[in-house]
Amino acid sequence: AQSVTQLDSQVPVFEEAPVELRCNYSSSVSVYLFWYVQYPNQGLQLLLKYLSGSTLVESINGFEAEFNKSQTSFHLRKPSVHISDTAEYFCAVSAHPQGAQKLVFGQGTRLTINP
Amino acid sequence: DTEVTQTPKHLVMGMTNKKSLKCEQHMGHRAMYWYKQKAKKPPELMFVYSYEKLSINESVPSRFSPECPNSSLLNLHLHALQPEDSALYLCASSRGGLAGVTDTQYFGPGTRLTVL
Repeated sequence: AQSVTQLDSQVPVFEEAPVELRCNYSSSVSVYLFWYVQYPNQGLQLLLKYLSGSTLVESINGFEAEFNKSQTSFHLRKPSVHISDTAEYFCAVSAHPQGAQKLVFGQGTRLTINP
Repeated sequence: DTEVTQTPKHLVMGMTNKKSLKCEQHMGHRAMYWYKQKAKKPPELMFVYSYEKLSINESVPSRFSPECPNSSLLNLHLHALQPEDSALYLCASSRGGLAGVTDTQYFGPGTRLTVL
């Protein structure tokens, strides 16, 4: 069975500081990993995903994540955060039973940016 | 257009009421999903429809009844709910098909349900 562990439930950082949100996964099959972000009172939005190829994936708003097979990790990083990055971040692994996608989410990390 | 719309935004209902949640997408996606999200928790998958057929039911109580009348619409019919069913109900869609495992799911803003 596949599972995801997000090691930090809350991460407070100061504006313009770097941040890393940690995610570890467990999977016995091919791994497809996702980071979704949920802003207050909204649905989830895809931030970035790893399917294959380059282990470093980037999003359009400055986040990046690195797939590390030996450490079974997919940590999310940003070199300099903004107030607008305040949100809940979910790491997820994808399964494909019965012709549809099943996302298994971690518990989420609440990123709080302090001015 | 990458939008998934959900109506209503908020719903308050009594335990004896019958109500429905509606979800719509016009991206040509063939997989549609219902999730339940409690406060400070990740979304929990409830149902998946693939090509308008129920593909996954995550052992959801029968007081929740999904319906997919066509490829653009997904409904969730509610009857005799309990207060613990109060939550944010999210709808999502994705391309579906054989490449579905690599899909991006597009989420609606959710319906905040309160059961009194």
